[in-house]
Amino acid sequence: SAVISQKPSRDICQRGTSLTIQCQVDSQVTMMFWYRQQPGQSLTLIATANQGSEATYESGFVIDKFPISRPNLTFSTLTVSNMSPEDSSIYLCSVVGRLETSGKETQYFGPGTRLLVL
Amino acid sequence: GIQVEQSPPDLILQEGANSTLRCNFSDSVNNLQWFHQNPWGQLINLFYIPSGTKQNGRLSATTVATERYSLLYISSSQTTDSGVYFCAVARTDSWGKLQFGAGTQVVVTP
Repeated sequence: SAVISQKPSRDICQRGTSLTIQCQVDSQVTMMFWYRQQPGQSLTLIATANQGSEATYESGFVIDKFPISRPNLTFSTLTVSNMSPEDSSIYLCSVVGRLETSGKETQYFGPGTRLLVL
Repeated sequence: GIQVEQSPPDLILQEGANSTLRCNFSDSVNNLQWFHQNPWGQLINLFYIPSGTKQNGRLSATTVATERYSLLYISSSQTTDSGVYFCAVARTDSWGKLQFGAGTQVVVTP
């Protein structure tokens, strides 16, 4: 299985500032994604992090607000820019990895980054 | 996009009880997963089950793809089963780009 770590695990930020969240995977993975979970809500896909090229954003999310980098197959960052209280959420990194035991692809989620914007 | 509806929205169980959670989806999918989000927010993959039946301990799941629904069974529930259960689906051309349902909040009381 893929082990995913995220930094920071939580943060409290002032409105108007930016925060960069890191996602590190212990093995090379084909696909990496960023999701958002607003308080009391379900998860929503923000974007697909593409290695070596610009991320692919879902409807309602733009690069200026959520710039994403993926320099290699094990690491990605998501920046939440010019934050407002509405950005208070849990941000989760997700990867698709291949199980060694079965060879089947499985989706994993990181522990999440809890962001509170004041 | 695909619509994903989960029922019931909330469920309170006494320890030892059995329960069934349902997920309906509006379009053909080749990826359906059940997740458990524990009270600390960690999301755990329970099943990848675009069709058929799978069992893992006290949990089992069945997906009837032709009728566009999936069921998650919890047997002999324990307090550690508490949390939110999410069903998530994706279409053939977007395997990892999951559309999540609203979830079922499960509370198991001693």
